[in-house]
Amino acid sequence: QQQVKQSPQSLIVQKGGISIINCAYENTAFDYFPWYQQFPGKGPALLIAIRPDVSEKKEGRFTISFNKSAKQFSLHIMDSQPGDSATYFCAAKEVPTNINQFYFGTGTSLTVIP
Amino acid sequence: DAGVTQSPTHLIKTRGQQVTLRCSPKSGHDTVSWYQQALGQGPQFIFQYYEEEERQRGNFPDRFSGHQYPNYSSELNVNALLLGDSALYLCASSEKGRKGEQFFGPGTRLTVL
Repeated sequence: QQQVKQSPQSLIVQKGGISIINCAYENTAFDYFPWYQQFPGKGPALLIAIRPDVSEKKEGRFTISFNKSAKQFSLHIMDSQPGDSATYFCAAKEVPTNINQFYFGTGTSLTVIP
Repeated sequence: DAGVTQSPTHLIKTRGQQVTLRCSPKSGHDTVSWYQQALGQGPQFIFQYYEEEERQRGNFPDRFSGHQYPNYSSELNVNALLLGDSALYLCASSEKGRKGEQFFGPGTRLTVL
């Protein structure tokens, strides 16, 4: 059973546009929600993360929106650039914090067209 | 800082063989987790090592085993390889007490023929 459901599977955006990727979860014990960026042949790299006590977190062009009641969170990439073309994974982790068993979504392949 | 390093980069084995993958965590990190990433899928948690002991295991059979050394480096061993074990194996390290943040290595691509 997929603990974190991610959509869409693939996304094509024009340069300068906004990319939006959505994730949903059921386990209310999840307390940490990171987004990872992965380029071909590389391991996932932490992009931005959020905890349930805030509804939004912004770092540069990347924003996470978090809706605790709906058990959904999303990644917004503003002013998308060709260099952002990669696969993006949402993930979730539950307490206790010393156990790093992350549950990943199935990934979104983002292509930014110049 | 070299970050998380893994070896080898690529590996080809045949069914029934055994394989050992290696990971060196990021400097200052003492916890190592292993993940299996099948093609087109998200990483799946295999297990986590801390203080040289397996602390948590995901839904993987006993054919998957590991070890952590006093210098925090770790090995993943897979016995009796199956075709379905073909995947990218990722090592992630973290610092105990740093809530949730973990850093991934580049992975080892295992192909089972």
